[in-house]
Amino acid sequence: QKEVEQDPGPLSVPEGAIVSLNCTYSNSAFQYFMWYRQYSRKGPELLMYTYSSGNKEDGRFTAQVDKSSKYISLFIRDSQPSDSATYLCAMDAGNNRKLIWGLGTSLAVNP
Amino acid sequence: GAVVSQHPSWVICKSGTSVKIECRSLDFQATTMFWYRQFPKQSLMLMATSNEGSKATYEQGVEKDKFLINHASLTLSTLTVTSAHPEDSSFYICSARDSGEDSGYTFGSGTRLTVV
Repeated sequence: QKEVEQDPGPLSVPEGAIVSLNCTYSNSAFQYFMWYRQYSRKGPELLMYTYSSGNKEDGRFTAQVDKSSKYISLFIRDSQPSDSATYLCAMDAGNNRKLIWGLGTSLAVNP
Repeated sequence: GAVVSQHPSWVICKSGTSVKIECRSLDFQATTMFWYRQFPKQSLMLMATSNEGSKATYEQGVEKDKFLINHASLTLSTLTVTSAHPEDSSFYICSARDSGEDSGYTFGSGTRLTVV
């Protein structure tokens, strides 16, 4: 079993839809959870950073962490064609330990 | 926010030559930087952790003598691909974290290496 599981998709939605992206993990030591967006041939861009359980909202993006279920989510409201990219979850246990990555979910938002 | 600058963004080199990739933290100090490799439609694979003033820590299966890492200052780490071969062609990305802030890791824009 991989430490982090993420459905690679592809996921295709119409413009304006609410998008839900998810990752599950197995290591209960993970405390820091991140979502990155990566466009083709570019480095990942940090979207959301959360510590421990709870919700965090930033504009159209909402990140949720449920440590009891070892499940994290990223919601995108009012999705736009410019949101079309690969979304990767990443997490670590702190103290500069290496990030553990999901495979990434490919998202296409159709106009 | 934190910015990481990576150069060059793309490079083509001949087999047997060496290529150096630079990674700079522009507005923060990074005692630790990370080097990743990414193949098409795959996730990031950590190659090594670059520590300022000391030797890098390489992941299992990554050749230390082939991928030379130098982290000479708190804002600069370099990755040199020595004696490059076509199978080294890939997308290389560095990242760093502002140790002074409680934040995620910032990535450079990546370097696409093509060895011909």
